[in-house]
Amino acid sequence: AQSVAQPEDQVNVAEGNPLTVKCTYSVSGNPYLFWYVQYPNRGLQFLLKYITGDNLVKGSYGFEAEFNKSQTSFHLKKPSALVSDSALYFCAVRDNYGQNFVFGPGTRLSVLP
Amino acid sequence: SQTIHQWPATLVQPVGSPLSLECTVEGTSNPNLYWYRQAAGRGLQLLFYSVGIGQISSEVPQNLSASRPQDRQFILSSKKLLLSDSGFYLCAWSSNLYEQYFGPGTRLTVT
Repeated sequence: AQSVAQPEDQVNVAEGNPLTVKCTYSVSGNPYLFWYVQYPNRGLQFLLKYITGDNLVKGSYGFEAEFNKSQTSFHLKKPSALVSDSALYFCAVRDNYGQNFVFGPGTRLSVLP
Repeated sequence: SQTIHQWPATLVQPVGSPLSLECTVEGTSNPNLYWYRQAAGRGLQLLFYSVGIGQISSEVPQNLSASRPQDRQFILSSKKLLLSDSGFYLCAWSSNLYEQYFGPGTRLTVT
């Protein structure tokens, strides 16, 4: 069965500093991995995905993520955080057999001015 | 381009009343459609998904039901709401292989 872990409920970072939001996964077969962001009372917005190819994936708003197969991780990163990046971040995985996505519990990112 | 709509945006309903939430997708055909519920601004619970008209899979036993009367229309219903049905309901679509795109959500409060 597929599963996603986001080990940190909350991440605090100062504006201008680099940020990392962690994600580890378990899936049979090759994983399709995704990051989404959610602002209050809004739907989730797609940030980036890993399907195949380069382990470093670049996405929207300056975010990137690094796929590490040996560590089964897909951590979200940004070189310089903005206050406007403060939101709830979800990691998700989909295996290449099924139709369903499995989401992690979410990590709340707070960027302090 | 593709867009996804949900309505209503907010809803306050008494316990025991019926429910109908609607989701429509534009700009794509034969999408996979999904209903999620999000409680307390955290994790997503998959409720139903559909790979085609009339094809509904239920992930969680409950007093909710879903229907897909048209290719790009997905409806979430209940005959009698419970207090525990309160939450933020999200509809999403995807093509067969790639990411999901979410609607703006419906905030349901059962009183």
